Parts: sequence; structure tokens; C-alpha cells
Amino acid sequence: EVQLVESGGGLVKPGNSLRLSCTASGFNFNTYTMNWVRQAPGKGLEWVSSISSSSSYIFYAASLKGRFTISRDNAKNSLFLQMNSLRADDTAIYYCARADEAVVIRGVLPLAMDVWGQGTTVTVSS
Amino acid sequence: QSVLTQPPSASGTPGQRVTISCSGSSSNIGSNYVYWYQQLSGTAPKLLIDRNNQRPSGVPDRFSGSKSGTSASLAISGLRSEDEADYYCAAWDDNLHSVFGGGTKLTVL
Repeated sequence: EVQLVESGGGLVKPGNSLRLSCTASGFNFNTYTMNWVRQAPGKGLEWVSSISSSSSYIFYAASLKGRFTISRDNAKNSLFLQMNSLRADDTAIYYCARADEAVVIRGVLPLAMDVWGQGTTVTVSS
Repeated sequence: QSVLTQPPSASGTPGQRVTISCSGSSSNIGSNYVYWYQQLSGTAPKLLIDRNNQRPSGVPDRFSGSKSGTSASLAISGLRSEDEADYYCAAWDDNLHSVFGGGTKLTVL
């Protein structure tokens, strides 16, 4: 069964750090771009970051202003999101999602997010 | 404020046809694929429409997508109660990021 399972969420104080993980199973992890998407309480979906299959191409939402770092370990079928200097507005459910990737002149771009995890909740509060 | 613009709400009665619009720009919808996601209450999003108008396996043919210029639409025909959900359009933007619409809450009356 194709599956993504997030972990690492929790309650953290403003200014602190948190590292999220996403473990994949049931598919060739090292051939897909992986993504993080978040959803604040009662709000819509917000793309956070994407990393290509070989980690050669990494993209971030401009709103993160360098506070988050995405990475992956293909040997362990795992995706990570290191979140630093957390703020109250980072409070959200964080989903990892798989996407096919397209090779274009500019590099590698993510396509549709066709498999999603169940999400892990991050709450930033004092 | 989302890069892609969707109406916040839509509604219809069982059996009706409903459309949800998604407006973007030349750097996203105008030059890249559009995707649609369905999010039932309390669950993770699910890919509903791939590459503008392609239905993934298992998605009923009641759902269809289209794209023209910098806009896209999702149509749901033969509306059913289980279609009540939030719907999001999305696309890659040539400024090197993915963008989502703000979401449309569909109510089946």
C-alpha cells in the first residue's frame, strides 16, 4: 500500500525549533519529488516547500524567509522539514505529499501531489 | 491572499451541475498545468483532477476540469451529498513555487 506517515509535530514555544519527518512506503521514494503543505486552523492549503528526487532542486515559499529547511534521505525513504524561529502563524497541520516530477529546460518541476499523508499538527504557543 | 482566486463558496442541490472557477496569471495557470484537490471535512486533501482535465483512477466521471488562458474550472455534474467538501485549485508558478487557490466550500443543499 502506498503510504506517507508524518511525525514530529507538537506544542512548541515561539522562537523554538521543530523537525518534522515523513516516512514513505509502498513506492519508489527516490523517483518522486516530495512536498510539504500546511493548513492553518480553519484556513486553506498553503504550499511550504518541495524537494526533487535527487535533492538537486529545492523550492520554498517566499513567506518562510529562510526559517525552514527541507531535506530527504532516500536510503531511509524519509522526508524532513526543519523549522526554526517558529511563530504563532506557523501553527498548522503539516502534510507531506508525493508528486511526479517533470524534467524541463530550467530543471525539475513538481507535478500533481497524488499521495498525501494524514498530517501532523504543529502548535506554536507560549 | 492566495495567488489563485476562487469563490469562497458554492452550492447546489442533488443532481445539479456546479462549477468552481480558478483565476490566475500568465506565470502560473497560463503556462503550467492546473490541479484540483478535494478535501472532505477532517481529512487530508485528495487529488481530483490532474494536468488540467485528467481524472486519476477512481475519480468519478462526474468530475471534470478545463483550462483556458489564465483561468480554470472544475465542474461537478449529478451533484451528490458526498461531494460536500472544500475544493482547491493549484498550479506551479514560473517564479519557482507552487500556488494554491483559497479554496471553495461546496454545500449540497
